[in-house]
Amino acid sequence: DQQVKQNSPSLSVQEGRISILNCDYTNSMFDYFLWYKKYPAEGPTFLISISSIKDKNEDGRFTVFLNKSAKHLSLHIVPSQPGDSAVYFCAAQGFKTIFGAGTRLFVKA
Amino acid sequence: GAGVSQSPSNKVTEKGKDVELRCDPISGHTALYWYRQSLGQGLEFLIYFQGNSAPDKSGLPSDRFSAERTGGSVSTLTIQRTQQEDSAVYLCASSLGGQGYEKLFFGSGTQLSVL
Repeated sequence: DQQVKQNSPSLSVQEGRISILNCDYTNSMFDYFLWYKKYPAEGPTFLISISSIKDKNEDGRFTVFLNKSAKHLSLHIVPSQPGDSAVYFCAAQGFKTIFGAGTRLFVKA
Repeated sequence: GAGVSQSPSNKVTEKGKDVELRCDPISGHTALYWYRQSLGQGLEFLIYFQGNSAPDKSGLPSDRFSAERTGGSVSTLTIQRTQQEDSAVYLCASSLGGQGYEKLFFGSGTQLSVL
C-alpha cells in the first residue's frame, strides 16, 4: 500500500530550464510534506517543505506547490543546474513520515 | 556529534548470520526512524521510536528484524539469519519529535551486503 507515490522514476532536463517533480499521496491525514535530495553514498538531505495550510512555499530556486483536493504536490527547480542532479524524495508526515520511491533528476549541461 | 552517526558504514556478511546496525541520533532528538533503500528502490519505512512511547514496528518486513532504543538515544537494528534480499542501505534519521512539522535528519547509512 503505497501512501506516497512518485510515478516518474527519472527525469532529464537541460541546464537552465525548469525541472518539475511530482508526487501524489493517498492519506488525507498527512499535514506536512517535505522534499529531500539524495546523492550517491550519502543520506538524504532536507530541501524544502510545506504545511497543509499553504499551497505554495518558495526558497530560492526551489518552489513546492500543494494541491490538497487532488492530493498532489510538486517541486519546481528553476533554473536547473548540473549540481541539482540527484534523487529527489517526496515525503508526507502524519503520525510518522512516509517517503515516495524517488525520482532521479539528470540536469544536462 | 553534530549529525546522525551510523556504524558500520559497510557490512558484508554471509547468509544466515546475524548483524547489528547502530545509530547515534542528534542529541536532544526524541524521534528516531529506520528506513532501508534496496537497489533501485525508494525509502522503505521500517520502524519509528518517539520518546517513551511504544515503537511503531509496522514496517518491519519479518520477525527476523528487530530494533531497540536504549535510554532514548542510541538505537540498534538487528537482523537475524540474514538473507540475500536483506542487502540494502539501512538509513537512520532523527527529529526533535512530537511537535509535528518535523524535519528528519539522516545519517549516511549502512550498506549491508549479504553473500
